[in-house]
Amino acid sequence: EVQLVESGGGLVQPGGSLILSCAASGFTFSTYWMHWVRQAPGRGLVWVSRINSDGSTTTYADSVKGRFTISRDNAKNTLYLQMNSLRAEDTAVYYCVRVLRGSGSYPFDYWGQGTLVTVSS
Amino acid sequence: DIQMTQSPSSLSASVGDRITITCRASQSVSNYLNWYQQKPGKAPNLLIYAASSLQSGVPSRFSGSGSGTDFTLTISSLQSEDFATYYCQQSHSISYTFGQGTKLEIK
Repeated sequence: EVQLVESGGGLVQPGGSLILSCAASGFTFSTYWMHWVRQAPGRGLVWVSRINSDGSTTTYADSVKGRFTISRDNAKNTLYLQMNSLRAEDTAVYYCVRVLRGSGSYPFDYWGQGTLVTVSS
Repeated sequence: DIQMTQSPSSLSASVGDRITITCRASQSVSNYLNWYQQKPGKAPNLLIYAASSLQSGVPSRFSGSGSGTDFTLTISSLQSEDFATYYCQQSHSISYTFGQGTKLEIK
């Protein structure tokens, strides 16, 4: 069974840092592209970042570029999101998601349960 | 960035009804269009990918159509478990933009 389990969320002050982790199991993690998607309270879904299967290629939304870093450890089956210079508008539930392979449209077929990041003084 | 606009933003319907949600892209996304269902407090669930392909395990009452800029999600006969919020998403460009969501409520 595919599982994605996020951790690391919490309350952080503006300007602070946080590292999110996503532990993957039930599939060959090292062969899948992975993404982070966030959802502010009561709001819609927003794509944050992606990383290719070997970690050599990363992409970011303009809103987080230069502040967030996505990475992965394929030996540990874990995806990370390093978040620096956090702002109030970064407050959201952060989801780790897997991309469905062979689909032609790269949909997100598995989602973690999400971890809440709250940026507030 | 490609903008995705869903309509309606909310919809009231009854069990057994047939409903359609539309999604319009600000520029062509070919068939790189996906649909998700989200229930309160839960992660989204993939329903339809590549505009019209039904994800494994999703009931056949869900269907999708369209290409280019105009897409639809149809539920042929609403069940009680279908009352949720639905999002379209384009995966043609790297911004992976989602629509603002359509909240489907019980009439």
